[in-house]
Order: sequence, then C-alpha cells, then structure tokens
Amino acid sequence: GDSVTQMEGPVTLSEEAFLTINCTYTATGYPSLFWYVQYPGEGLQLLLKATKADDKGSNKGFEATYRKETTSFHLEKGSVQVSDSAVYFCALSVGGTSYGKLTFGQGTILTVHP
Amino acid sequence: EADIYQTPRYLVIGTGKKITLECSQTMGHDKMYWYQQDPGMELHLIHYSYGVNSTEKGDLSSESTVSRIRTEHFPLTLESARPSHTSQYLCASSGYRDTGELFFGEGSRLTVL
Repeated sequence: GDSVTQMEGPVTLSEEAFLTINCTYTATGYPSLFWYVQYPGEGLQLLLKATKADDKGSNKGFEATYRKETTSFHLEKGSVQVSDSAVYFCALSVGGTSYGKLTFGQGTILTVHP
Repeated sequence: EADIYQTPRYLVIGTGKKITLECSQTMGHDKMYWYQQDPGMELHLIHYSYGVNSTEKGDLSSESTVSRIRTEHFPLTLESARPSHTSQYLCASSGYRDTGELFFGEGSRLTVL
C-alpha cells in the first residue's frame, strides 16, 4: 500500500538556522505530494504541494521538490524563525477517485529557539 | 481562511457513553473526511464522504459511524465509548476542483475514562 516516511524528530534549531525535514514515499501510480503544518492548538493547514515529478512547491520561505527518482519530497527552509515551531506532516494522494484521501507521514515536531 | 468547525474541542467521558462529534463546514465542499490522530501524532483516515448520503470507511478500522444527510454536516458517533477510543479526531473537507488541499477543523480531543 501507499506509505510516507518522515525523518524522526523532534528537531530543535536556533533561529536563522537551515532546516531540512526528510520525506520519502511509496505509492502506486503517480502521487501528488504535500506538506501540511499544525501549529499548537490548531488544525492542519496546507503549506505547499507538488503534483508531478520535478515540480517545486514553495510557500512562506519553505520549499520542497518532487524527486521521482529518489521518491522523496524533502522540506527545506534557509532561515527558520521562532514562529515556524510546529508539527510538519508530509502526505501523498494518488489521485483519481482517491483524490483527497491523503496518506500522512508520522509528523516531525520542530522547535525553534531565539 | 477555512470555515470548518468542530465541537466539542475537548470531551472527557466515562466508558459506555454514547458520544457524537460534530463537524460543519460553510464552504459548500462535497468531500468530507474524519482522521484519527494518535498520541504519536500519526493521522489515519477513518471515514470519508463524497457527498450527501455517501459514506465510506477509511484505511483504519474504527468502531465509530458517520452520516451525511446535509452537505455541510458530517457528524461522527461512538455508540459505546471505551478507553481505546481516546484520541484526537480531525475533520476535513475539500472542494470540487480537487486541488488536493484539505481544510481541517481544529480537532476534537476525546478522553474516555
């Protein structure tokens, strides 16, 4: 079946540090890939997405590139802020009638210190 | 800004009680979903609906049931709650255009004693 594996956390960084959160996937067909973020006490919200190989999703300084050859969708940010502290989820959707049925990774807690 | 609401946000009940978690959205979305988020944060799809009178079980088996009588409303019911049902339940919806974006509510955290 489809699955998503994220790097184990939690991740703790100082402000302005570089962030990478690794994500790899297994899927039948050609999935769309997503990063969702969950801030404390809130629901999940879409951070960025990519729908085909070599696409780069970006938002709020975060980027991720859909790498079909390595089945990866790593999240990066060049300079993190305290306000980026949250839980980050990588997810995929295989499309068609299954579109919207997301398979999530296990989540990575990010804590950024001043 | 997403307009999807869940009530109650927090609920503590005893074993054997019947509970209903409410979920409503004002975006006119056809598709709605319930995810269970375990203490380790992992999310599992337990129910989904692609429209009125359409409901399906998700990837994770659940003793809960759902109904979709109105487009905007997708409640989840547990007939007899047990401690194993203690979890966070997240409701989500998505629109007709299938951009892949889900809009999530803030969640209902259920504790069964």
